[in-house]
Amino acid sequence: DIQMTQSPSSLSESVGDRVTITCQASQDITNYLNWFQQKPGKAPKLLISDASNLQTGVPSRFSGSGSGTDFVFTISSLQPEDIATYYCQQYNNLPYTFGQGTKLEIK
Amino acid sequence: QLQLQESGPGLVKPSETLSLTCTVSGGSISRSTYYWGWIRQPPGKGLEWIATIYYSGSTYYNPSLKSRVTISIDTSKNQFSLNLRSVIAADTAVYYCASSSGGITMKVWGQGTLVTVSS
Repeated sequence: DIQMTQSPSSLSESVGDRVTITCQASQDITNYLNWFQQKPGKAPKLLISDASNLQTGVPSRFSGSGSGTDFVFTISSLQPEDIATYYCQQYNNLPYTFGQGTKLEIK
Repeated sequence: QLQLQESGPGLVKPSETLSLTCTVSGGSISRSTYYWGWIRQPPGKGLEWIATIYYSGSTYYNPSLKSRVTISIDTSKNQFSLNLRSVIAADTAVYYCASSSGGITMKVWGQGTLVTVSS
């Protein structure tokens, strides 16, 4: 299985800050990477597919980049409603695997 | 607008079979190029992909669960289902059904249903 390692596992930032989360795959996954946002008690929401493709309706402060094994998820200016846990997921190989999640809190 | 809703028992005894159904509304489950899948999340933990079925019936399973899992489609009811056999306490989780809209990525998710394995 491809292991997905997210960093950090948690972070606390202030409103307006730039937030960066990294995701590293244990082998090359080209750009077959998704980013999901999950708020407490809710289903995950797809924000970005194909490493950098922002889904329709998702605010432009969210972005993704990377290819191969190293990927970055960025929130350009943190908003209170962005408090959630964020997961990366690879879909290059079966089984499709998720990172362990990054819990984002407001400082 | 495609919507998904999970249904099934909230409590299953160890060694029995967990059976869940996902009812699809707002579109046909036979829609070309669509994938339908199940993902689970143990309480307080991360996400685990379980299985996916293509509109044509092709199935894909997580090897860690493959010996116990079956995913199927019922086009007459616009539903797809998950059966997980011989459950243990570690199978306790919120189970989500989800769908793609072309491609493999799950873009539309149900609200999830908590299944507890306990005697």
